[in-house]
Amino acid sequence: GAGVSQTPSNKVTEKGKYVELRCDPISGHTALYWYRQSLGQGPEFLIYFQGTGAADDSGLPNDRFFAVRPEGSVSTLKIQRTERGDSAVYLCASSRAYNPNEQFFGPGTRLTVL
Amino acid sequence: TQLLEQSPQFLSIQEGENLTVYCNSSSVFSSLQWYRQEPGEGPVLLVTVVTGGEVKKLKRLTFQFGDARKDSSLHITAAQPGDTGLYLCAGALAGNNRKLIWGLGTSLAVNP
Repeated sequence: GAGVSQTPSNKVTEKGKYVELRCDPISGHTALYWYRQSLGQGPEFLIYFQGTGAADDSGLPNDRFFAVRPEGSVSTLKIQRTERGDSAVYLCASSRAYNPNEQFFGPGTRLTVL
Repeated sequence: TQLLEQSPQFLSIQEGENLTVYCNSSSVFSSLQWYRQEPGEGPVLLVTVVTGGEVKKLKRLTFQFGDARKDSSLHITAAQPGDTGLYLCAGALAGNNRKLIWGLGTSLAVNP
């Protein structure tokens, strides 16, 4: 597609459940980023992939969060044992090679943990 | 500790007024960017500034990068309701540009 796509657009789950959020980057973009954003605030960095490998996962809040990008394209952010505090919009962005100056964002997945 | 301080956090003005949003840090950035985000959408890049003292214009928007590359400003002339949104600054730290450092954003409302 022309832009970064994310699915689902909305996800409501119950505390303790497992969720997967998917990101489909712009074709040809080798770098992929995951962010978390609370209402009215800036994005909070979670993890960055260069190709298939996680080059920087220092933003993952704890070991309940994990992300993969097995073929260097689509990425999945996985959250185990969800907590109410995990509720946020999860944004994905992609860029050519590693160029933090030109990140293209998807519309995000709004996660609500009840 | 917030590496990039944005001010003001909220701004509500009337159509036709001018405004300035500030992004400040004690750290030096190799580049700094401004994004605009509308509800339900991801941030959209407006401009990247890389040279100290650089000024870039985008229609009614003027962006400036401080001489020391520690701060930036966004000035909007004759604001319109379509300018309403969340304005975010983000910077790549000098010597460590592996990820962007984000400000908390300025929520702008332009009333007709």
